[in-house]
Amino acid sequence: GAVVSQHPSRVICKSGTSVKIECRSLDFQATTMFWYRQFPKKSLMLMATSNEGSKATYEQGVEKDKFLINHASLTLSTLTVTSAHPEDSSFYICSAKRGGPQETQYFGPGTRLLVL
Amino acid sequence: AQSVAQPEDQVNVAEGNPLTVKCTYSVSGNPYLFWYVQYPNRGLQFLLKYITGDNLVKGSYGFEAEFNKSQTSFHLKKPSALVSDSALYFCAVRDDSNYQLIWGAGTKLIIKP
Repeated sequence: GAVVSQHPSRVICKSGTSVKIECRSLDFQATTMFWYRQFPKKSLMLMATSNEGSKATYEQGVEKDKFLINHASLTLSTLTVTSAHPEDSSFYICSAKRGGPQETQYFGPGTRLLVL
Repeated sequence: AQSVAQPEDQVNVAEGNPLTVKCTYSVSGNPYLFWYVQYPNRGLQFLLKYITGDNLVKGSYGFEAEFNKSQTSFHLKKPSALVSDSALYFCAVRDDSNYQLIWGAGTKLIIKP
C-alpha cells in the first residue's frame, strides 16, 4: 500500500509555544489530506479536511485559528498547533488519499503531543 | 445520516480459533467499506475494503470481510487467530456523495495464547 509519513513522531513542548507537524505522502499524490485527533481508548475525531491549494474545511468545534492547516502541495500538509496548552495534548494522525470516494485513505504513524 | 456501529468494545478469542469483529453501517448511497487496524501508539493500517463485486473481500494478514447488503453488515473475520492480531480494529464507511470516512468506535481484539 501507499506510504504516509508524519514528523515528528513525538513532541514535548511548553505551554504557549507553537508546534508544527508535517504529513507527507511518499509515493503518491494526495488530492485530499485529513487530520485526526485521537484520545486514549477512543475513536478518531476528524479535525479538518484539506485539498491541495485550497483552504482546509474544519469540523464543527475545531478552532481554525488554533489548528492551522496548510496543504501546500500534493504530497505535503502541515498542522500547526498555535499557543499550545495542556488540553491540546493528544495523538494527532494524518491521512491522505487520491481521487474519488472509492480510494483508500492511508494513514501516517501519528504524532504524540505533550504540552507541559 | 451516515453511521457505523461496532457493537462490541472488546472481543476475546483463544489463539487458533476463528475470530469475528462485527460492523454494521448506514449510508444513503452505495457504500464503500473499509477495515483498519491500529497497534498501540501507532497510526492506522489499511486491512481491506469493499467497493463493488464479490461480497467476500480478502485483505492483509489473512483477514477477510463479508459484505452483506440486506443486513448492512461488513464483519471482519479470520479463520485462525494469532496472538499478534491483538489490536484495535476500526470499521469505516463512505458513500459516493461524501469523501469523508465515517468511523466506528473501534473494537479491541484480544487473542489469548
